Amino acid sequence: DAGITQSPRHKVTETGTPVTLRCHQTENHRYMYWYRQDPGHGLRLIHYSYGVKDTDKGEVSDGYSVSRSKTEDFLLTLESATSSQTSVYFCAISEIRMGREQFFGPGTRLTVL
Amino acid sequence: KQEVTQIPAALSVPEGENLVLNCSFTDSAIYNLQWFRQDPGKGLTSLLLIQSSQREQTSGRLNASLDKSSGRSTLYIAASQPGDSATYLCAVLVTSGSRLTFGEGTQLTVNP
Repeated sequence: DAGITQSPRHKVTETGTPVTLRCHQTENHRYMYWYRQDPGHGLRLIHYSYGVKDTDKGEVSDGYSVSRSKTEDFLLTLESATSSQTSVYFCAISEIRMGREQFFGPGTRLTVL
Repeated sequence: KQEVTQIPAALSVPEGENLVLNCSFTDSAIYNLQWFRQDPGKGLTSLLLIQSSQREQTSGRLNASLDKSSGRSTLYIAASQPGDSATYLCAVLVTSGSRLTFGEGTQLTVNP
């Protein structure tokens, strides 16, 4: 399995509080992604990164920001959490030399009360 | 906008049966197509990756085919086992983009 960890694995927070999720990889892959998975919507891309300090928006980026200061770490921040952001969040990585196959982390279950 | 559809949404079969899961996509300009497996409460495990220039890929009892012109892929599972029970997801990467577009998945149950 690709070396991808996510922290925390579970989090319960209150509306209006900031939340940061961390994705850490040991594979030295260039591309990193944050997805959310919701019943009825499947998996949707929030933000992605194509290198250190290079990021771009996905299809559901409103209310989220990201940062990547090192190759191995990709942070997802909810500046002011809302109940609609209750979801399971997955990080993924890929690399061109591997045909851009995406490998996923174990996920973080976030509940916003 | 790329759309991915998976049929059927759910499938229940007896152990030992060969089965086919279907995936269709609307934009044929794809870079690759991936099949994933997801167990309840778990992350996604990549099963097979098919590049746009390829027609099929095989791994053990799994075989995935790709027909770009018709916008279809199939995942064939031979001699199904109860341990194959999971949700199977199809996803495509478009040539001009960086995100995977996922189908809703097929929930497979293999009964002993």
